[in-house]
Amino acid sequence: LAKTTQPISMDSYEGQEVNITCSHNNIATNDYITWYQQFPSQGPRFIIQGYKTKVTNEVASLFIPADRKSSTLSLPRVSLSDTAVYYCLVGEDSSASKIIFGSGTRLSIRP
Amino acid sequence: NAGVTQTPKFRILKIGQSMTLQCAQDMNHNYMYWYRQDPGMGLKLIYYSVGAGITDKGEVPNGYNVSRSTTEDFPLRLELAAPSQTSVYFCASSPPSGGTNEQFFGPGTRLTVL
Repeated sequence: LAKTTQPISMDSYEGQEVNITCSHNNIATNDYITWYQQFPSQGPRFIIQGYKTKVTNEVASLFIPADRKSSTLSLPRVSLSDTAVYYCLVGEDSSASKIIFGSGTRLSIRP
Repeated sequence: NAGVTQTPKFRILKIGQSMTLQCAQDMNHNYMYWYRQDPGMGLKLIYYSVGAGITDKGEVPNGYNVSRSTTEDFPLRLELAAPSQTSVYFCASSPPSGGTNEQFFGPGTRLTVL
């Protein structure tokens, strides 16, 4: 069971790049790393997913070192609307019962 | 596509009452999940299903029951409501896509038990 550890909260300013790191020392060979974003009173929304190295999409990048024991979600040029809770998950389809969201990182963006 | 829909949006129950939270998805996803989220906390998995007729327990199944008679629907049943079940309930679905965890979430049901 791959438990994840994230900072409880982070603050930044509009236009800055924000990096949120997640530690997952017990990640298994078949596990993927997935990040979700959650706004108040809404369900989580998928942001990005990766297995190794770097993944980039239209909203974020995900950096995964060779040992895969951690990962970093990078949000370029954040805006006020990026204020949300960000969750890092580690797992795979066959271990659906072991999905753990944790408490996430509460990101606050200031003008 | 409507995605994942949940009804009702809000509900107040008295202790000992029963209710069913409805969840439906129109994406033909095999996997469906029920989570609860207490204030300021992350989501905890209650039950999940990998296909019609197959359900299994998650991290916090006590006090709940589920069924999966069709691919589209995954209702969650509370038999004897207790104050500890006051929470926001989220339903989610995902396709089995080779080891990934991209789940699509519904808008949630806010339940209060008094």
